[in-house]
Amino acid sequence: AQSVTQPDIHITVSEGASLELRCNYSYGATPYLFWYVQSPGQGLQLLLKYFSGDTLVQGIKGFEAEFKRSQSSFNLRKPSVHWSDAAEYFCAGNSGGYQKVTFGTGTKLQVIP
Amino acid sequence: EAGVTQSPTHLIKTRGQQATLRCSPISGHTSVYWYQQALGLGLQFLLWYDEGEERNRGNFPPRFSGRQFPNYSSELNVNALELEDSALYLCASSPGVGRGDNQPQHFGDGTRLSIL
Repeated sequence: AQSVTQPDIHITVSEGASLELRCNYSYGATPYLFWYVQSPGQGLQLLLKYFSGDTLVQGIKGFEAEFKRSQSSFNLRKPSVHWSDAAEYFCAGNSGGYQKVTFGTGTKLQVIP
Repeated sequence: EAGVTQSPTHLIKTRGQQATLRCSPISGHTSVYWYQQALGLGLQFLLWYDEGEERNRGNFPPRFSGRQFPNYSSELNVNALELEDSALYLCASSPGVGRGDNQPQHFGDGTRLSIL
């Protein structure tokens, strides 16, 4: 079955430290992949998207993600985390052909001083 | 450009009542999606409309229904409300079928539905 998995439910990092949030996908062909961020009580904001081409994708707010076909992964990274990055992060995938997008279960990021 | 707008922001109902949630997509978008985000359960896909037609439906009972209007706005109706229907209901839009199936969805801020 087509799916997106986020193995970490909750992650805590210190402000200024680097961040990597994991996402694994299971699709027959190369999927379209997205990362979203959700602040409490709000909707989801698109951080970045991968369709094809360059496997390192730059997004907003200083985030980037790398598509690794050999590992079926699309991990989100940020070199230096700010307190305002505390939120829940969702990885999502779509196999194309107008199929619905599948979301991971989310990773809640806590940033400590 | 206005984003996806949802109304109302909050809705309080009692068991057995009916709720109607509304969504206006980004101008030019023809696809509207509905999701339920209950505490601890992540985003659960409810419905997808495009050009007024239901394109896909998630694993929800028939008392969850909706429609899309000619101006592409959409309503989600939930009948016979149950306590477990308490959740944040998110609406998203995208350019639509035939306009790039790889375009990401853009989300509204949701309607918080509370069942007493």
